[in-house]
Amino acid sequence: ETGVTQSPTHLIKTRGQQVTLRCSSQSGHNTVSWYQQALGQGPQFIFQYYREEENGRGNFPPRFSGLQFPNYSSELNVNALELDDSALYLCASSLHVVSYGYTFGSGTRLTVV
Amino acid sequence: DQQVKQNSPSLSVQEGRISILNCDYTNSMFDYFLWYKKYPAEGPTFLISISSIKDKNEDGRFTVFLNKSAKHLSLHIVPSQPGDSAVYFCAASTRNSGNTPLVFGKGTRLSVIA
Repeated sequence: ETGVTQSPTHLIKTRGQQVTLRCSSQSGHNTVSWYQQALGQGPQFIFQYYREEENGRGNFPPRFSGLQFPNYSSELNVNALELDDSALYLCASSLHVVSYGYTFGSGTRLTVV
Repeated sequence: DQQVKQNSPSLSVQEGRISILNCDYTNSMFDYFLWYKKYPAEGPTFLISISSIKDKNEDGRFTVFLNKSAKHLSLHIVPSQPGDSAVYFCAASTRNSGNTPLVFGKGTRLSVIA
């Protein structure tokens, strides 16, 4: 059983650019959630995808968008990057009804300069 | 407005002693609580959870206590081991509403000293 895989592990982008982060969910999991963890903070919910549809969204602007594919993998896209977007981006997969908590990937460390 | 608060950024405990990590929440709709452990360069890993219908849940060395009236939960680790050194996150959700994004605290860094 494979866990959650995220790519890339590290990324440096310039303010104003666009970025795409990728996530492969754990085998058997059909729901993917994305979290942003800024330095010294806890993870903050961005959005969740279930059956290729957005199924809930946190307090993030529309320039944060996502996709889920038929194999349940997912992408997080961020347009018009700002310095404050620098953070660890965590992907978590789960069954739709949370029972024992999410399985998180190791994250993508995004630095915006 | 932080709905889940971990007021101690760090905690140091000697090996073999008890570690107590605390968490407070403000949203009375939360009905499911989880603790995650995070090592550097890894994602958070699930540790233990508790439903609001219980006041205690135990799993080996880890016990979580829930005090609903005080909106407070705590994680006890007995005995503490050096491998327990990590950042611990408390998280809460409104599981019965169906859509259950987790709301996390800022974390407490536990250092277990040999």
